[in-house]
Amino acid sequence: GAGVSQTPSNKVTEKGKYVELRCDPISGHTALYWYRQSLGQGPEFLIYFQGTGAADDSGLPNDRFFAVRPEGSVSTLKIQRTERGDSAVYLCASSFTPDNEQFFGPGTRLTVL
Amino acid sequence: RKEVEQDPGPFNVPEGATVAFNCTYSNSASQSFFWYRQDCRKEPKLLMSVYSSGNEDGRFTAQLNRASQYISLLIRDSKLSDSATYLCVVKTGANNLFFGTGTRLTVIP
Repeated sequence: GAGVSQTPSNKVTEKGKYVELRCDPISGHTALYWYRQSLGQGPEFLIYFQGTGAADDSGLPNDRFFAVRPEGSVSTLKIQRTERGDSAVYLCASSFTPDNEQFFGPGTRLTVL
Repeated sequence: RKEVEQDPGPFNVPEGATVAFNCTYSNSASQSFFWYRQDCRKEPKLLMSVYSSGNEDGRFTAQLNRASQYISLLIRDSKLSDSATYLCVVKTGANNLFFGTGTRLTVIP
């Protein structure tokens, strides 16, 4: 079966631009998570969805970051007015329920010039 | 203070060696513990969960010491294919995972 997929795999943008990163979770998984991984660091939690609602957005660094999951499946992470410090790999994970194993997608490598 | 601290390495060991990784966590209310493996430029994948009684999966043994807030991973008879970054991971109440920085292992022929 298909795993978690993320598009695009790479995104290069200029400082100040708006970007959207997409995540397709494993079919039937109710929980979806976004993480950010900077070079040499472990993944850092951003936001968690249970169904359509954001159950925990405490990891979003500031109000330039926003994520949606309108139909409880695909999720989009949106970053406004990108800054060079936003450059990282953005990882999405999903799990059947919040208590189950999280499966990660391959990530989107974002580079802000 | 970081939620999870681990030695970033790198650890360079010969094939067949035994290697141990350790990590500590700061939140005594943490409930679940894991080791993930991450290959270069790939996503993290669950290696094994860690239980208070200790658990073993083939050449891999994980231990948890709740009193010391300490987690370990032992790899016996290292293989070239074990070369990767090993991430110590803690789940604390909420459903998000807290990752350490990872320990990089290279197994040398």
